[in-house]
Amino acid sequence: SQKIEQNSEALNIQEGKTATLTCNYTNYSPAYLQWYRQDPGRGPVFLLLIRENEKEKRKERLKVTFDTTLKQSLFHITASQPADSATYLCALGRGYNKLIFGAGTRLAVHP
Amino acid sequence: DADVTQTPRNRITKTGKRIMLECSQTKGHDRMYWYRQDPGLGLQLIYYSFDVKDINKGEISDGYSVSRQAQAKFSLSLESAIPNQTALYFCATSLGTDTGELFFGEGSRLTVL
Repeated sequence: SQKIEQNSEALNIQEGKTATLTCNYTNYSPAYLQWYRQDPGRGPVFLLLIRENEKEKRKERLKVTFDTTLKQSLFHITASQPADSATYLCALGRGYNKLIFGAGTRLAVHP
Repeated sequence: DADVTQTPRNRITKTGKRIMLECSQTKGHDRMYWYRQDPGLGLQLIYYSFDVKDINKGEISDGYSVSRQAQAKFSLSLESAIPNQTALYFCATSLGTDTGELFFGEGSRLTVL
């Protein structure tokens, strides 16, 4: 069955550094991948979409890469700030919005 | 005001009770979804609806039912709640594209004693 793995351990980094979160998957060939941010007690909020034929996507301080050979996506936040502290979810899809979500990685940015 | 509104936000109930979680949206999207979130697990799809006359089971539909009363309203029911249905439930909407982002509500936290 399809499996998505995100680091279950929290990622702790210092303010100003680049945070890198990993999303690995098996037994699936997604057409696209999405990243969401979720704050405690809130619903996830969409951040970025990257398609299988795209290697990299950027939005402001965010950068996502998608390697279909390694079956991996990396999510980078440059010049991280305490306000970036949240849980980040990756989701894979192949048509009709039936996304498969990872459990998420919690990011803590310390001043 | 929130574009996707869920009620109630918190509910504590007892085993065997019937529970309804309601979702309404002002985004004008045709597609609506119900997800369940448990600690350490990814969001799991319970049911989804692509329009008012279309209802589809997701990966964990057993023990749940839904009703799409209008384009803007999608309700989730637990006919006879059990403790392992204790979870955080999210309603979401999306545009009718194959990669459309999901817009989530604030969640409904359900505890079944």
